[in-house]
Amino acid sequence: EAGVAQSPRYKIIEKRQSVAFWCNPISGHATLYWYQQILGQGPKLLIQFQNNGVVDDSQLPKDRFSAERLKGVDSTLKIQPAKLEDSAVYLCASSFPSGPYEQYFGPGTRLTVT
Amino acid sequence: GQSLEQPSEVTAVEGAIVQINCTYQTSGFYGLSWYQQHDGGAPTFLSYNALDGLEETGRFSSFLSRSDSYGYLLLQELQMKDSASYFCAVFMNTGFQKLVFGTGTRLLVSP
Repeated sequence: EAGVAQSPRYKIIEKRQSVAFWCNPISGHATLYWYQQILGQGPKLLIQFQNNGVVDDSQLPKDRFSAERLKGVDSTLKIQPAKLEDSAVYLCASSFPSGPYEQYFGPGTRLTVT
Repeated sequence: GQSLEQPSEVTAVEGAIVQINCTYQTSGFYGLSWYQQHDGGAPTFLSYNALDGLEETGRFSSFLSRSDSYGYLLLQELQMKDSASYFCAVFMNTGFQKLVFGTGTRLLVSP
């Protein structure tokens, strides 16, 4: 069974530039999550999708972050414009709707904003 | 809101047993999950406790006491490869189900 795929793995941008991350969840997983993990901290949920609908985006900085999940499969997370404090690893995860306590994570994208 | 507390770091030697504690405060609590994350890697699911008591999976066991808002992860017969960060995460429902992660415990296993 293929795992959660993410790209790119690494990205370096200057502040005020834009960046986009892509995620392909495990086949059959209707629930998709984007997390931000700052070094030394636990993953922080940014947005949660059920199929192509948003379940929770209460911690998404909507003035600069946006995310979409077209057709209920792949998802993209965008930051525009980036700030220095956005430097982090962005993790995508997926799960069955019946088991959000067991999530499968992708390898993440390490973003450095200079 | 919710809060989770874990020790920031634990050290142990190969072959030993180590316990990583987690205390939490939250409403809408359903259960407690544990994840392992090696440096530079993705978190991987270890276990989930919805009911009080001990769940055993090989060398790893997880315990939950709902009345004490407390859980722990027990790692036995430690190996060098167990050096990683371990996160407890509360599975909760506040109108929808979600997982909230703690700050993590870094486990260092020495020879």
